[in-house]
Amino acid sequence: QKEVEQDPGPLSVPEGAIVSLNCTYSNSAFQYFMWYRQYSRKGPELLMYTYSSGNKEDGRFTAQVDKSSKYISLFIRDSQPSDSATYLCAMSEGSQGNLIFGKGTKLSVKP
Amino acid sequence: DGGITQSPKYLFRKEGQNVTLSCEQNLNHDAMYWYRQDPGQGLRLIYYSQIVNDFQKGDIAEGYSVSREKKESFPLTVTSAQKNPTAFYLCASSHRNQPQHFGDGTRLSIL
Repeated sequence: QKEVEQDPGPLSVPEGAIVSLNCTYSNSAFQYFMWYRQYSRKGPELLMYTYSSGNKEDGRFTAQVDKSSKYISLFIRDSQPSDSATYLCAMSEGSQGNLIFGKGTKLSVKP
Repeated sequence: DGGITQSPKYLFRKEGQNVTLSCEQNLNHDAMYWYRQDPGQGLRLIYYSQIVNDFQKGDIAEGYSVSREKKESFPLTVTSAQKNPTAFYLCASSHRNQPQHFGDGTRLSIL
């Protein structure tokens, strides 16, 4: 079993839809969880950074961490065509621990 | 503007040739990282450095070498021993106890 599992998609939604992106993991020692957005031919851009369980909201983006289920989610409300990108989850045991990445989910938001 | 600069954007390697990818940051970050990204794959850690003049191997260090002579610079050499070097190479940096931020990558191909 891989350490981090992420559905690669592709996921296609109409503009304005609510998008749910998910990752599951097997290492119960992970405490720091991140979501990155990567546009084609660009480097990943940090979207959300959370520690331990709970929710974190930033504008149209909400990150959820459920450590008991080893499951993290990123919700995008009122999705826009500019949200079309690959979304990578990443996690680590310590604040400076090595990051373990999911393979990324490719999202397309259609106008 | 503060950020992470990777150069060149595209690089071509001949058989038996060593090539060096540049990564410079002006964010005053202590830690720097090199990742490799293959299509449909998550990012895999090649090398990382927490302080000047010190670095550690990541998960896929074979065929690569690095140096960290200055805080702001962390060049990666892809040696002829790396038999499958075609990939997108990403450099990242971070403050202590903070998430990693990425440059825009170098795409390496074989001639």
